[in-house]
Amino acid sequence: NAGVTQTPKFQVLKTGQSMTLQCAQDMNHNSMYWYRQDPGMGLRLIYYSASEGTTDKGEVPNGYNVSRLNKREFSLRLESAAPSQTSVYFCASSERTGEDGYTFGSGTRLTVV
Amino acid sequence: GQQLNQSPQSMFIQEGEDVSMNCTSSSIFNTWLWYKQDPGEGPVLLIALYKAGELTSNGRLTAQFGITRKDSFLNISASIPSDVGIYFCAGQTPLSDYKLSFGAGTTVTVRA
Repeated sequence: NAGVTQTPKFQVLKTGQSMTLQCAQDMNHNSMYWYRQDPGMGLRLIYYSASEGTTDKGEVPNGYNVSRLNKREFSLRLESAAPSQTSVYFCASSERTGEDGYTFGSGTRLTVV
Repeated sequence: GQQLNQSPQSMFIQEGEDVSMNCTSSSIFNTWLWYKQDPGEGPVLLIALYKAGELTSNGRLTAQFGITRKDSFLNISASIPSDVGIYFCAGQTPLSDYKLSFGAGTTVTVRA
């Protein structure tokens, strides 16, 4: 009963490096989301995918790209990491309407030096 | 997303106390949700509310969907040490295209 699985759990990058955060869900959910969490800022939506084959920008998309690889997997890519992208990143999934809430992964703690 | 104002920002609890927190918005919401986040983990859904005036309990937790549909409250009765963590409110508006907006969180800490 894995739910939402994120990898890696921790990552340190140098400014300018690139990396991809992976997310997979096994609940057959249609919608998937990427959030970042910063102290005092709550959860801010980076990108979301309402269904397989579609992606849309959230509140803070600059510096990120996403790929909805299939119904299960939704990846987040940082092409050229910046210190401002130091954060904890959460992937989540939900049924199409989202009204039953989202299921979150356990997060990736990213530090950009 | 829609602005959700969550208060207090932080609070200290003493074992056995009842505590409460709330969330307000300038927009009407059709769903209110409350999550808890333990250190090093992702948020976990505690309670979901779908109708104005609805009062729902989950163990020692009770949440209410405000009559105006612009606010929600979460109460924790008889606090215990494992209640520490960050509590988030979240909601959907009729025009949010199924996306949730989140409050900034209330950090609950045990009073020494």
